[in-house]
Amino acid sequence: SQTIHQWPATLVQPVGSPLSLECTVEGTSNPNLYWYRQAAGRGLQLLFYSVGIGQISSEVPQNLSASRPQDRQFILSSKKLLLSDSGFYLCAWRTGLNGPLHFGNGTRLTVT
Amino acid sequence: GQQVMQIPQYQHVQEGEDFTTYCNSSTTLSNIQWYKQRPGGHPVFLIQLVKSGEVKKQKRLTFQFGEAKKNSSLHITATQTTDVGTYFCAGSGNDMRFGAGTRLTVKP
Repeated sequence: SQTIHQWPATLVQPVGSPLSLECTVEGTSNPNLYWYRQAAGRGLQLLFYSVGIGQISSEVPQNLSASRPQDRQFILSSKKLLLSDSGFYLCAWRTGLNGPLHFGNGTRLTVT
Repeated sequence: GQQVMQIPQYQHVQEGEDFTTYCNSSTTLSNIQWYKQRPGGHPVFLIQLVKSGEVKKQKRLTFQFGEAKKNSSLHITATQTTDVGTYFCAGSGNDMRFGAGTRLTVKP
């Protein structure tokens, strides 16, 4: 069966520090991968999605970046965090363009 | 991407009352998906609607897709405390954009 792993579960980082969040999927090949951010009590903001290795589509210009070095690995990064980067970061995968999204457990990031 | 608007933003009901959330798009949707996010959790897929006018039921939940495939609704009959959470719709496409969600609270 397919599983998605996302870590860490919680993270507290100072302003200006770098960020690296990792997401891996098991049990499937060539998944579409997604990064979302959710501010407290708010909706899901699509940050990046990828339909294949090295293919990244960015939805929101900001100080975040994403990479897909392997088929089932998706990484969210920042060189210098801002206070506004605080939030709940969710990785998700699906097969094809119309299937359901399967979310990881998320990372709660607090930038202090 | 396909933008979707969702209303209401919040809904507080007494246990046993019904609840409905609505999702609207300015463009025709190829399909629509609904998700539920429990407090502190991650969104979980509920259902996908594809056909014009489609109606699907899951126990007390009824999902509808409009004839023009521009709107959808989720109706919960006789809410229970276990229904608490935020319900999201999403217009399916390469980028999968979500509505803002409707947060449901249920008073026992």
